[in-house]
Amino acid sequence: SAVISQKPSRDICQRGTSLTIQCQVDSQVTMMFWYRQQPGQSLTLIATANQGSEATYESGFVIDKFPISRPNLTFSTLTVSNMSPEDSSIYLCSVGLVADTQYFGPGTRLTVL
Amino acid sequence: GQQVMQIPQYQHVQEGEDFTTYCNSSTTLSNIQWYKQRPGGHPVFLIQLVKSGEVKKQKRLTFQFGEAKKNSSLHITATQTTDVGTYFCAVNAGNNRKLIWGLGTSLAVNP
Repeated sequence: SAVISQKPSRDICQRGTSLTIQCQVDSQVTMMFWYRQQPGQSLTLIATANQGSEATYESGFVIDKFPISRPNLTFSTLTVSNMSPEDSSIYLCSVGLVADTQYFGPGTRLTVL
Repeated sequence: GQQVMQIPQYQHVQEGEDFTTYCNSSTTLSNIQWYKQRPGGHPVFLIQLVKSGEVKKQKRLTFQFGEAKKNSSLHITATQTTDVGTYFCAVNAGNNRKLIWGLGTSLAVNP
């Protein structure tokens, strides 16, 4: 397993601003993922954060809106840019471990006014 | 693309009753994983099933993988209030190591 922390745990932001979410892992991991989860719904993968190269985005998500950094094997950031109320959600980072099982951070609860 | 269907979406039981959630795929799966998410929490890995017909138990939880490796179930015997949460199945999307998630089954338990 892995210990994963996320910052901030929650935030309330104004429309048009940006928020950067940090994900820190206590060990080096190859695969890191960023998800969005609306209340009461399943997980939607935003992108795979690749160390040393650009993130791989899923359909419907673009780098300009959700820029991702992955400077090393223990850390990643996701920025939610030019926010609107539709971006209000829980954002989760996860790491892929043995046999592609995933361990999740505690999540960031974002409210955009 | 690959999809996994999960039913039911919601289940409300009396404490002590049993509970089952099912996941089905139209294609043969290499493996299937199950996760639990408590209200306000994050998904937590429970188990991975790999072999055809595999059955694994964790205390009151029984996980099964179908013979054709196209379906799976999670059964909880004699539910307790601590079982409350949403149970997700997830399958590998291929070589890119992503997971495809079921919609989840939300379990409510009346004490």
